Formats: sequence, structure tokens, C-alpha cells
Amino acid sequence: QSALTQPPSASGSPGQSVTISCTGTSSDVGGYNYVSWYQQHPGKAPKLMIYEVSKRPSGVPDRFSGSKSGNTASLTVSGLQAEDEADYYCSSYAGSNNLVFGTGTKVTVL
Amino acid sequence: QVQLVESGGGVVQPGRSLRLSCAASGFTFSSYAMHWVRQAPGKGLEWVAFISYDGNNKYYADSVKGRFTISRDTSRNTLYLQMNSLRPEDSAVYYCARGRGMTTVGYWGQGTLVTVSS
Repeated sequence: QSALTQPPSASGSPGQSVTISCTGTSSDVGGYNYVSWYQQHPGKAPKLMIYEVSKRPSGVPDRFSGSKSGNTASLTVSGLQAEDEADYYCSSYAGSNNLVFGTGTKVTVL
Repeated sequence: QVQLVESGGGVVQPGRSLRLSCAASGFTFSSYAMHWVRQAPGKGLEWVAFISYDGNNKYYADSVKGRFTISRDTSRNTLYLQMNSLRPEDSAVYYCARGRGMTTVGYWGQGTLVTVSS
């Protein structure tokens, strides 16, 4: 199972929005509504930010939103804040009891 | 609050074995599926294994199938990962995580580092 494709980097100024893409195939992202997004600060464990494409766990700010179109999912962070600077990973259920992660995107707040 | 504390990592020679443990607290362990996910130094995340809440269903990534075994002890609120025939490419931080079923990895522990080297 190949990793989902994410851009290596993205950036935005405080208060702006940044959108990260996660591209897979019809066998994973396009085939199931089980896309998740994780935030990872340096040296820390990942944190679930979005699950089932667009649902936010309790405690995650509504500045974080998710969507999907075809084989590509997206995470949008609105009203960027300094603490949003981190690595972001997507994941998708890939059928046959497999889970696949994305390649990761480093978000920089300018 | 939810706590997942991994242990058992270290340096091991290629071909040898290691068992990782993950002590769970702050939630009803027997009600949740669990995952192991790893991250090689400076690299991305890789899903490793899954076990259902009752231990009856276990799934593995192709890269570890036949070498790694996931298990759980509900009486000890502990998740395990038995790793045999270790290879240098298995070197990574191993995270245990509470699952939202098979489809989503939820709350993550802080990880334990495994280094496979001669």
C-alpha cells in the first residue's frame, strides 16, 4: 500500500488560511469516508484533529476543517496562529483491513 | 485523563526479538480497539498493527506480517507488540494509540524508540 501524497510544505501569515491536500486513489481516499488528519509538533506524539473526513474531536478548535472531493482530501486551517506551526499527516482506511498515512506536510506560520 | 505509556524499546541486533508494552489508564481499556503506529527518525508515520476491543481481530501491515504479533491483556490494561526477526528498517519510535475502530487512530501515547543495529 503506497503512502498518500501530501505537499512537503505549506505556509501562511497569522490570521490567514492554509489548505493542505492529501491525494490517494479510489482504493483508499476515494473509496471510503474514513480520512483523518493529525497534528504533530517536534518531538511530540501526533494528535487527532479531524476524523471521518470532516468531524472534529472534542477540544479541537473549529478553525480546523476537513473535506474531500474524489480521491483528494483537504485540511484547512483558518485564522492561522503561531501554535499551528507543526507537521500534519492525513490517513485513510484502505480496505482489506489496512490503514495508510500521508507523506506529511510541514506548516510554517510566517 | 487518558494515558498511554509505552515501554520496552531499546537497541537490539538484527534478527533478535523485542516486546513492547503500552500501559493504558483513564478509560475503559476493554471497550476500545488499539493500534501500533511507528515513525522512523525524520520520516512519516506508518501504521503497524490493529487489535479489536475484544482481541478477536488482529491485522498487520504487510511490512511486519509474520514477524510482529499484537496482543492485549485486559486484566492488566496493557497492549503488547511482540517483534521478532527484527531488521534495521524496523528502527523507529513506536506509538500505541487508542482506536476509533480500524478506520481511525485516536489518542496516542508518547512513543518508545526501537533501534535495530549491530
